[in-house]
Amino acid sequence: DAKTTQPTSMDCAEGRAANLPCNHSTISGNEYVYWYRQIHSQGPQYIIHGLKNNETNEMASLIITEDRKSSTLILPHATLRDTAVYYCIVRVAFLGTGGGNKLTFGTGTQLKVEL
Amino acid sequence: GAVVSQHPSWVICKSGTSVKIECRSLDFQATTMFWYRQFPKQSLMLMATSNEGSKATYEQGVEKDKFLINHASLTLSTLTVTSAHPEDSSFYICSARLGGIGSYNEQFFGPGTRLTVL
Repeated sequence: DAKTTQPTSMDCAEGRAANLPCNHSTISGNEYVYWYRQIHSQGPQYIIHGLKNNETNEMASLIITEDRKSSTLILPHATLRDTAVYYCIVRVAFLGTGGGNKLTFGTGTQLKVEL
Repeated sequence: GAVVSQHPSWVICKSGTSVKIECRSLDFQATTMFWYRQFPKQSLMLMATSNEGSKATYEQGVEKDKFLINHASLTLSTLTVTSAHPEDSSFYICSARLGGIGSYNEQFFGPGTRLTVL
């Protein structure tokens, strides 16, 4: 799976948009971009994923550049509860039964949302 | 939907004892479950992949005889830390993959189990 690079930490004011970047310059054509987050002392939480088109759900938006070498996770109105470590993971999607499907977590970005 | 639970949420044990941690998918069937370990201020490290009805696949450097994994049903996987030592103290997290032919492969994570070995 392609390696990702994220800033170590970011700060964001509550109510403002949080834009978290991720570089994945070695991504392959069949690899997806996934975002998870981990609030302190909890298990990771799935946020969103995408292949090449921009995606939006109730939690966030994912913007993937045309060359797919980088992406940005956008939390449109950050709250204090969004303070967490955000992980960008690139991997091949797997449809079907069986094993595989590993998620390799990097160090992520510590997002701190402040008043 | 797609809720994964773990039990216990925390456990303290004496060195040399064994500890069992349960991971359950509450509202879906999980053909594959994963076990991770996370030390303080570090990222999650995959320990093993568990498939229902078959032996687990361990990552390099993880002792299979020390970390026993059983995936006896589509909703339950257990991790037993045998002869635990203080260096095994960590945050253990499981995840379950929403399985089935044609289904997408999102993983849903449990809340984690904090193990402290005295």
